[in-house]
Amino acid sequence: EAGVAQSPRYKIIEKRQSVAFWCNPISGHATLYWYQQILGQGPKLLIQFQNNGVVDDSQLPKDRFSAERLKGVDSTLKIQPAKLEDSAVYLCASSTGPGRYGYTFGSGTRLTVV
Amino acid sequence: QQQVKQSPQSLIVQKGGISIINCAYENTAFDYFPWYQQFPGKGPALLIAIRPDVSEKKEGRFTISFNKSAKQFSLHIMDSQPGDSATYFCAATPGGGNKLTFGTGTQLKVEL
Repeated sequence: EAGVAQSPRYKIIEKRQSVAFWCNPISGHATLYWYQQILGQGPKLLIQFQNNGVVDDSQLPKDRFSAERLKGVDSTLKIQPAKLEDSAVYLCASSTGPGRYGYTFGSGTRLTVV
Repeated sequence: QQQVKQSPQSLIVQKGGISIINCAYENTAFDYFPWYQQFPGKGPALLIAIRPDVSEKKEGRFTISFNKSAKQFSLHIMDSQPGDSATYFCAATPGGGNKLTFGTGTQLKVEL
C-alpha cells in the first residue's frame, strides 16, 4: 500500500511569514495525526483527527497554528505567523482508527524559520 | 507525569555486539509501549511493541524487556549490524488512546 504522503519536503521562510503543509494519509485510515519533531527531540503530538473531527488539539499553539481535514481525507497544517522556535520537522501519521496502534508516519516536512 | 525518559542519548556499538536502550515512565495509565526506528530524512517506523501484561517480547534480533514494578522498559538489539544505525525512540500511550508520548531518542551507530 502507498505510504503517508507529505509535501513539501523542505521549506525555508522568514519569521512572521505564513506556511502550510499538506498530508495525504493511507487510503482508508480514519485517524490522522500531526506531530512536531524539534531537532534532537522526540515527536510531540500537535493534533489528532478522527475522520474530519478533532479528537485532541491540546498541544496545538492555537494562536498561530491551525489544521483542518476536509472530507476526512487530506489534511493541511498552517502556521501564521511563524516564529524561530517553529523550526522543526512536521510529521503526519495515520492509522486505521482509535485503538489501532499501528501508526504509519510520513517522511515529514522540514521547516526552517530564519 | 506524561514524560518518558530515555537513555543513553547516543550509543556506539561494534558489529555483532548488543545494543541496549533504556526508558522509564511515570504515568501508570500507559499500557502500550512501542519502539520506533528513524533513519535520516524519514519518519519513525514501528519496530516492536509490548503491553505490560508480559515481561519480554522478541522479534528476530530485537527484544523488549518490561519491568512493570520499576516502570522501566528497554530495547535490546542482538548481533547489531551497520544497517541498524539509526535513531531509536521509545514511546508510550494510555489505554484506549492514540496519543504517543515519545522519549528523546537514542542515536545508535554500529561500527564495523
